[in-house]
Amino acid sequence: EAAVTQSPRNKVAVTGGKVTLSCNQTNNHNNMYWYRQDTGHGLRLIHYSYGAGSTEKGDIPDGYKASRPSQENFSLILELATPSQTSVYFCASGDSGGPNERLFFGHGTKLSVL
Amino acid sequence: AQSVDQPDAHVTLSEGASLELRCSYSYSAAPYLFWYVQYPGQSLQFLLKYITGDTVVKGTKGFEAEFRKSNSSFNLKKSPAHWSDSAKYFCALERGGSNYKLTFGKGTLLTVTP
Repeated sequence: EAAVTQSPRNKVAVTGGKVTLSCNQTNNHNNMYWYRQDTGHGLRLIHYSYGAGSTEKGDIPDGYKASRPSQENFSLILELATPSQTSVYFCASGDSGGPNERLFFGHGTKLSVL
Repeated sequence: AQSVDQPDAHVTLSEGASLELRCSYSYSAAPYLFWYVQYPGQSLQFLLKYITGDTVVKGTKGFEAEFRKSNSSFNLKKSPAHWSDSAKYFCALERGGSNYKLTFGKGTLLTVTP
């Protein structure tokens, strides 16, 4: 079974601090995604990647950076965390890259910025 | 612009009843539509998709969805519902073009009472 693992599962950060959320996939999928989930919104795409070394801006990239050092790993970086970034973050990998693409999600990281 | 609307934030029904979760979309081209489910404490899982062809598509766990171009809907159905179907359900639209990315609805929280 496809596996996407996120760490940490929970994180409390201080305003202005740096936060790194990590994601590892064993699916050997080229595409990876970072979404955030907030009440009253669907999942919103922050950054995505087509493969090692590639990162692309999604719909809400402001305040976030991404890094894809390898096929397996995709990180989301908050250089200066703000309370508005308190959310649940999901990483996903995609199995085809086309319209038939099926996403496999991690269990999420609950981030609280105080 | 493309969008997905799930008008019901919360649906409650009794076990054994038929469930239908509503999803409407706005998109100028032929849509690719998906349903994902998030069980309590778990991550999102793929349920089913519509690409082309038969307007009724079957997915996992006994779910099916009907694509209706006439009213731009893609409603999820199951009969009978079971208490274990209690979860949050997300409808999603593939954006198409050169980058195939999903636009998610806000989700419908389904509670099935025993």
